[in-house]
Amino acid sequence: GQNIDQPTEMTATEGAIVQINCTYQTSGFNGLFWYQQHAGEAPTFLSYNVLDGLEEKGRFSSFLSRSKGYSYLLLKELQMKDSASYLCAVVDSNYQLIWGAGTKLIIKP
Amino acid sequence: ETGVTQTPRHLVMGMTNKKSLKCEQHLGHNAMYWYKQSAKKPLELMFVYSLEERVENNSVPSRFSPECPNSSHLFLHLHTLQPEDSALYLCASSQLAGGSYNEQFFGPGTRLTVL
Repeated sequence: GQNIDQPTEMTATEGAIVQINCTYQTSGFNGLFWYQQHAGEAPTFLSYNVLDGLEEKGRFSSFLSRSKGYSYLLLKELQMKDSASYLCAVVDSNYQLIWGAGTKLIIKP
Repeated sequence: ETGVTQTPRHLVMGMTNKKSLKCEQHLGHNAMYWYKQSAKKPLELMFVYSLEERVENNSVPSRFSPECPNSSHLFLHLHTLQPEDSALYLCASSQLAGGSYNEQFFGPGTRLTVL
């Protein structure tokens, strides 16, 4: 079966750095998405990786290793507004989007 | 209006009621999706419409009935629901391009409670 694993919840301190991991086992791979979802709001696109390596976008970076079936989202200089759930999703060989359950990130002052 | 809108934002219904959820996208996309989001579970894809034709139905119970009258509008008709159907129902849209995958844009969701 197809599976996406990410931690259920993480806690970090304002101003610090946090890394949210995502591992996947899917039938084929055509890219990996990270979305952010604040409580009661729509998920919003953060990043898309299809090649190995690190993609940096301001305070957020996303890394992919296809050989390891692994990705992480790195958040720097954490702000209180970064408290949200972070969803990992993989596009499989049929171009279906397979979703993880999301990681709830709690930022403390 | 911009992006993807959904109405109503909150809905409480009894098990014998009939109601409909509405989604509208203003992005010129040609694919639309219904998802169910339950607490601590992955997003569950319910229905996919591509160019107004339904292309996917992930074994969703018949008490959920989708309708896509045009590329901008999507409905989810609900009848005789069960309490376990209580969840956040998200609509999304994307631009389909052959052999590739584009990001999905989500609406704010409808929080459904079935009593």
